[in-house]
Amino acid sequence: GDSVTQMEGPVTLSEEAFLTINCTYTATGYPSLFWYVQYPGEGLQLLLKATKADDKGSNKGFEATYRKETTSFHLEKGSVQVSDSAVYFCALPFSGGYNKLIFGAGTRLAVHP
Amino acid sequence: DAGVIQSPRHEVTEMGQEVTLRCKPISGHNSLFWYRQTMMRGLELLIYFNNNVPIDDSGMPEDRFSAKMPNASFSTLKIQPSEPRDSAVYFCASSLGWGDKSPLHFGNGTRLTVT
Repeated sequence: GDSVTQMEGPVTLSEEAFLTINCTYTATGYPSLFWYVQYPGEGLQLLLKATKADDKGSNKGFEATYRKETTSFHLEKGSVQVSDSAVYFCALPFSGGYNKLIFGAGTRLAVHP
Repeated sequence: DAGVIQSPRHEVTEMGQEVTLRCKPISGHNSLFWYRQTMMRGLELLIYFNNNVPIDDSGMPEDRFSAKMPNASFSTLKIQPSEPRDSAVYFCASSLGWGDKSPLHFGNGTRLTVT
């Protein structure tokens, strides 16, 4: 069945370090892929998405490229800030539609000054 | 845009009591989702509605859980009777349409503690 696997956290980085959070998926066909972010005490919010193979989603300095060959959608940022500290979730739509999303387990990122 | 509004933000109750969580989706959105988040199980989809009709409730853990959407602007999730293992953060989310074209908009959640 459809599933998403994320690297386990927490990921701890110093400010201005390079970030990679790995995400791989199993799905029927070629669904859109999403990254959501959850800041402390808040709900999830969409960070970026890619709708087809080789697409690159980007927002707030974060990027992720839809890799069909490796079924991956890794999240990257060249220089993290303390304000990026949050939990990041990779997600894909359930093949049955209705905008039902399957989320990964989440990866907690802590950035220190 | 007021976003998805959930109430209460925090709920503390004793085992055996009834708990009702409330959600107001974004105006115009026609899909609504209830999720539960715990450290052990992550984010779990409990139930979702499209045009006020429950589409899939296979994620509802037990008959103690029930959800309603009497109109397009209001939904409730009820737990009766509540148990300590129901302690979690419950999120409501809404979206416009279906498919992968419309992102989910989440509320800030209700943190439920059952003692």
